[in-house]
Amino acid sequence: DAGVIQSPRHEVTEMGQEVTLRCKPISGHDYLFWYRQTMMRGLELLIYFNNNVPIDDSGMPEDRFSAKMPNASFSTLKIQPSEPRDSAVYFCASSLEARSSYNEQFFGPGTRLTVL
Amino acid sequence: KQEVTQIPAALSVPEGENLVLNCSFTDSAIYNLQWFRQDPGKGLTSLLLIQSSQREQTSGRLNASLDKSSGRSTLYIAASQPGDSATYLCAVQDNNDMRFGAGTRLTVKP
Repeated sequence: DAGVIQSPRHEVTEMGQEVTLRCKPISGHDYLFWYRQTMMRGLELLIYFNNNVPIDDSGMPEDRFSAKMPNASFSTLKIQPSEPRDSAVYFCASSLEARSSYNEQFFGPGTRLTVL
Repeated sequence: KQEVTQIPAALSVPEGENLVLNCSFTDSAIYNLQWFRQDPGKGLTSLLLIQSSQREQTSGRLNASLDKSSGRSTLYIAASQPGDSATYLCAVQDNNDMRFGAGTRLTVKP
């Protein structure tokens, strides 16, 4: 398996523009997670899906952020409009289970977002 | 709210030394604890997963222990190598979500 795939790897955009980050989880994993990593706040969970359904989006910072999972092999995280404080590395992860002893999460390489 | 702390924040050792990284958490009601490695500019690589009913896990030169009652985990690296240089993060899975420590940045000098 190729592991979790994310695109793009790097994104530079201007404030106010729409940004779409993409993720393909490991085949057969029922759970997909979106994280954000910054120097100040470390790794934070934004939202996670189970069988394509959003379960917990309490970590999404504000209405400018939205996430979808139209099918088991694809998810997007969208920021509209983007702001400089959104600059961070965004990770996607997937796992077979969640909130269990067997939950082992596998991370993608991340998307480094810079908003000018 | 679960809080995860890693000490030290940074560690530099000579090659060949055995070392211990520490992780502590405030709420012992966890499902598991996972140790990750992160290289600069890269994603996280899962190293070891310790289930809540387990005391330790081993993989090669790595050994992770878990003491739920005291809210502590250690990652032991034997015979360290320059290739072990990276940031090591621990993450705790509880009923709410997975919470990460800030990491320990390890440098192994040749």
